[in-house]
Amino acid sequence: QKEVEQDPGPLSVPEGAIVSLNCTYSNSAFQYFMWYRQYSRKGPELLMYTYSSGNKEDGRFTAQVDKSSKYISLFIRDSQPSDSATYLCAMSASTGGFKTIFGAGTRLFVKA
Amino acid sequence: NAGVTQTPKFRILKIGQSMTLQCTQDMNHNYMYWYRQDPGMGLKLIYYSVGAGITDKGEVPNGYNVSRSTTEDFPLRLELAAPSQTSVYFCASSTAGTGTEQYFGPGTRLTVT
Repeated sequence: QKEVEQDPGPLSVPEGAIVSLNCTYSNSAFQYFMWYRQYSRKGPELLMYTYSSGNKEDGRFTAQVDKSSKYISLFIRDSQPSDSATYLCAMSASTGGFKTIFGAGTRLFVKA
Repeated sequence: NAGVTQTPKFRILKIGQSMTLQCTQDMNHNYMYWYRQDPGMGLKLIYYSVGAGITDKGEVPNGYNVSRSTTEDFPLRLELAAPSQTSVYFCASSTAGTGTEQYFGPGTRLTVT
């Protein structure tokens, strides 16, 4: 079993839809939870990160962490064609020296 | 600020050749990382550094070496290249030691044939 599981997609939605992207994990020690966006043939860029459980909102993006279920989500409201990219979840823990473990990424296509 | 820069962008190596992937950051970050990204596999940590002169292994260090003589530079050395090292390599840096807020370079696409 991988430490971090992420559905690779692809996920295709119409413009304006609410997108839900998810990851599950097995290591209960994870403390920091990150979401990165990666455009084709580019390096990943950080969207947001959260510490422990709870929600965090930044513009059209909302990150949720449910540590009891070992489940994290990224919601994108009013999705735009420019949101078409691969979304990577990532996690780290002090017990692992904060080495970051990445999910495989979900490819998202937003159709105009 | 240029952020994190990587050279070369592309490279084709023959089996058994060696090369160095260059990485430089101008943000004065203490933490630097090397990852490889294979299709459908996400990013795997090869090596990381917490500051000049200090490096440590990540998940997949075999076949690679690193050094960190300055805060800005973190080169990755491939010795005796093998087809299994065909991948896209990303360098990243961060100011936080928690693994959060990593800034990535544009990547180097390496093919070993």
